[in-house]
Amino acid sequence: NAGVTQTPKFQVLKTGQSMTLQCAQDMNHEYMSWYRQDPGMGLRLIHYSVGAGITDQGEVPNGYNVSRSTTEDFPLRLLSAAPSQTSVYFCASRQTGWNTEAFFGQGTRLTVV
Amino acid sequence: AQSVTQLDSHVSVSEGTPVLLRCNYSSSYSPSLFWYVQHPNKGLQLLLKYTSAATLVKGINGFEAEFKKSETSFHLTKPSAHMSDAAEYFCVVIHGSGNTGKLIFGQGTTLQVKP
Repeated sequence: NAGVTQTPKFQVLKTGQSMTLQCAQDMNHEYMSWYRQDPGMGLRLIHYSVGAGITDQGEVPNGYNVSRSTTEDFPLRLLSAAPSQTSVYFCASRQTGWNTEAFFGQGTRLTVV
Repeated sequence: AQSVTQLDSHVSVSEGTPVLLRCNYSSSYSPSLFWYVQHPNKGLQLLLKYTSAATLVKGINGFEAEFKKSETSFHLTKPSAHMSDAAEYFCVVIHGSGNTGKLIFGQGTTLQVKP
């Protein structure tokens, strides 16, 4: 019963490097999304998807790309890492419906130096 | 547009005393409202969610929340705090009519429990 799995848990990048944060869910959820968590700011939406092949921008999309080729996977790509992207990243998935809850991964703590 | 405001960034209580964490929302729709808890260096866990079936919602670990439409509030309470309740708490609303992946978070309330 894996739920939402994020990898890696920790990552240190140098400015300008690129990387992909992986997110996979095994609950057949249609909705998936990425958030970043910064102190005092709650969680802010980066990108989200309402199904395979469909993605859209959230509140803070700059510097990030996503794709959704399958229902299960929703990777987040940092194109050219910047210190401002130092944060904790969470992936979430949710089933369709008015008040179905979201399930979260354990988070990825990213430091850009 | 939907939004949530958590009225306190930090709440401190003594063990055994009541807990009140306040959340106000704005929504053009019947809101989908949730409370999540995040313990240090952990992911987010669902505490409870609002269903239209009842205005008083019971969650895990003795927490409750009351939906008050007239006050646009969804405050979280617990009669008696335990040391293990120390964590960050988020009030969350789902954007739009609910058929979306967009969650809107409050800024969080850090609950400190003193012995």
